Amino acid sequence: NAGVTQTPKFRVLKTGQSMTLLCAQDMNHEYMYWYRQDPGMGLRLIHYSVGEGTTAKGEVPDGYNVSRLKKQNFLLGLESAAPSQTSVYFCASSWNLRSKGGDKYNEQFFGPGTRLTVL
Amino acid sequence: AQSVTQLGSHVSVSEGALVLLRCNYSSSVPPYLFWYVQYPNQGLQLLLKYTTGATLVKGINGFEAEFKKSETSFHLTKPSAHMSDAAEYFCAVSERGYNKLIFGAGTRLAVHP
Repeated sequence: NAGVTQTPKFRVLKTGQSMTLLCAQDMNHEYMYWYRQDPGMGLRLIHYSVGEGTTAKGEVPDGYNVSRLKKQNFLLGLESAAPSQTSVYFCASSWNLRSKGGDKYNEQFFGPGTRLTVL
Repeated sequence: AQSVTQLGSHVSVSEGALVLLRCNYSSSVPPYLFWYVQYPNQGLQLLLKYTTGATLVKGINGFEAEFKKSETSFHLTKPSAHMSDAAEYFCAVSERGYNKLIFGAGTRLAVHP
């Protein structure tokens, strides 16, 4: 199993350009998440999804959109990139605790990250 | 709202020395607690977690953490540091029964010979 994969690994954008980051997981997880990681701030949740066709806002959603058309994929879009969006982006996935049952399933699995620079 | 505080953004130890990384949380109800490790240019990997039961939790690579409700703490320790332990460590919490994580700012561990 590949686990959680992200494409691309690196990207440089100019201010105002748009792009889409792709996250894929092969563990049949219901939940998927997008985080951004900035120095001294840990990881902050941008958006998340509890199932195919559903998305919700996290802590820092402004300037981003997401879609989950298939259970295994979660897309993060930047419509008009800004320098403040320069960051490392991580995708994660997990089981739905309420359907899976048992705390041993309580874990998020992370992808390798995408380093985005906006000039 | 829950929050996580990691004391010390950088910790440096000698190889073979004790590793102690501090984590305190704010929550009126004991949450689920996690430690994740991030090696350079990689994603996060779960080290250990506390959900219920024994308050001393053992994880991978010789790390362990103890949940202390009275101190609202979940400090990470390892008796003897190895060069390969150099990484960034994140403490995280989630409400019981929910998947969403709140992360601390992280502590970068350096291990020198």
